[in-house]
Amino acid sequence: GQNIDQPTEMTATEGAIVQINCTYQTSGFNGLFWYQQHAGEAPTFLSYNVLDGLEEKGRFSSFLSRSKGYSYLLLKELQMKDSASYLCASVDSNYQLIWGAGTKLIIKP
Amino acid sequence: GAVVSQHPSRVICKSGTSVKIECRSLDFQATTMFWYRQFPKKSLMLMATSNEGSKATYEQGVEKDKFLINHASLTLSTLTVTSAHPEDSSFYICSARDRVYSYNEQFFGPGTRLTVL
Repeated sequence: GQNIDQPTEMTATEGAIVQINCTYQTSGFNGLFWYQQHAGEAPTFLSYNVLDGLEEKGRFSSFLSRSKGYSYLLLKELQMKDSASYLCASVDSNYQLIWGAGTKLIIKP
Repeated sequence: GAVVSQHPSRVICKSGTSVKIECRSLDFQATTMFWYRQFPKKSLMLMATSNEGSKATYEQGVEKDKFLINHASLTLSTLTVTSAHPEDSSFYICSARDRVYSYNEQFFGPGTRLTVL
């Protein structure tokens, strides 16, 4: 079966660094997305990885290891506005997005 | 670029009525559009995938006669919730895939919050 696992909730302090992990098992693999979703709003694109390694984009970075079926999203210099849910989604062999349940990130001052 | 609009953003209706939600890609052509629903504190649930000019493909457990999807053009897809009931109250989100992009990013609309009384 197809499965995406990520922690349900994480808490971090403003200004700190947090890493949100995602493991996936999908039939075929055509990349992995990270999306940010604030409460009551639609998801917004953060990153896309299809090759192994780290992609850095400002305060956010995303890492992929295809052999391990593993990705993480790294958020640096956390700000209060980063409080949101972070969704991991893998693209399967049919080019469908398989979504994780999301990780709710709570930032404390 | 890659903007998707959704209308209406909020709708409240009586039980038994039908509600139509529009999803438009404003600055690109979307060969494929997706319809999701999301319950509070839950992840996105794909309801159906629609390709322009053809019938939508519904996910298991989604009633195609209740959730009518039309994708008549490369920039517009509609979802009609027929004979809505309170359990249909949810956040409905559409997304669109740009035919030009070589990978599979989906651009999301802002969502429609449906409340059925």
